[in-house]
Amino acid sequence: DTGVSQDPRHKITKRGQNVTFRCDPISEHNRLYWYRQTLGQGPEFLTYFQNEAQLEKSRLLSDRFSAERPKGSFSTLEIQRTEQGDSAMYLCASSPRDRGPQETQYFGPGTRLLVL
Amino acid sequence: GNSVTQMEGPVTLSEEAFLTINCTYTATGYPSLFWYVQYPGEGLQLLLKATKADDKGSNKGFEATYRKETTSFHLEKGSVQVSDSAVYFCALRGSGNTGKLIFGQGTTLQVKP
Repeated sequence: DTGVSQDPRHKITKRGQNVTFRCDPISEHNRLYWYRQTLGQGPEFLTYFQNEAQLEKSRLLSDRFSAERPKGSFSTLEIQRTEQGDSAMYLCASSPRDRGPQETQYFGPGTRLLVL
Repeated sequence: GNSVTQMEGPVTLSEEAFLTINCTYTATGYPSLFWYVQYPGEGLQLLLKATKADDKGSNKGFEATYRKETTSFHLEKGSVQVSDSAVYFCALRGSGNTGKLIFGQGTTLQVKP
């Protein structure tokens, strides 16, 4: 069990560019979550997948954001036409099959995005 | 909607002092409650959880009791160590099928020797 991994760990980009982040969940975890955390705040939910199906999206996830989880394994989060307000830490978490109230999410180290 | 409110930080304590970090929540139904910790330079780690009223979660000397009557889940530790210095997040998972967590803003704890 190697834990949740995210790549890259840091990304600096210019306003207007597209960026893509990758998350590899813990093996056999079928739920995968994306959160965004800005400085001094708690993580905010963006979206989640159960296997390859995207089941819920936050209204924070504008049409510039898209997430995929082909084959129900790794996931990618793409931000198109980045804006300075997109600068944040993007966190990925995974959990085993739905256990209702007992579900525990395991977080990756995050990808820190800075938009200049 | 569901929400979590934590006490403002930073909290600065001397080693071996008693710690309380307040957390209150607003939610419909019966949420599950969590405390996560983020050590400097590391990712979020689950510290403890409670899934129903009056449950007590505990781990590494930390405890929190799910109080439905006061909608609270305060984190406590009897004797803090320098190594406990971190940011602590209270979170809830709503009842129903959604798995998403709703976090408080975090409380920074600094323990001095």
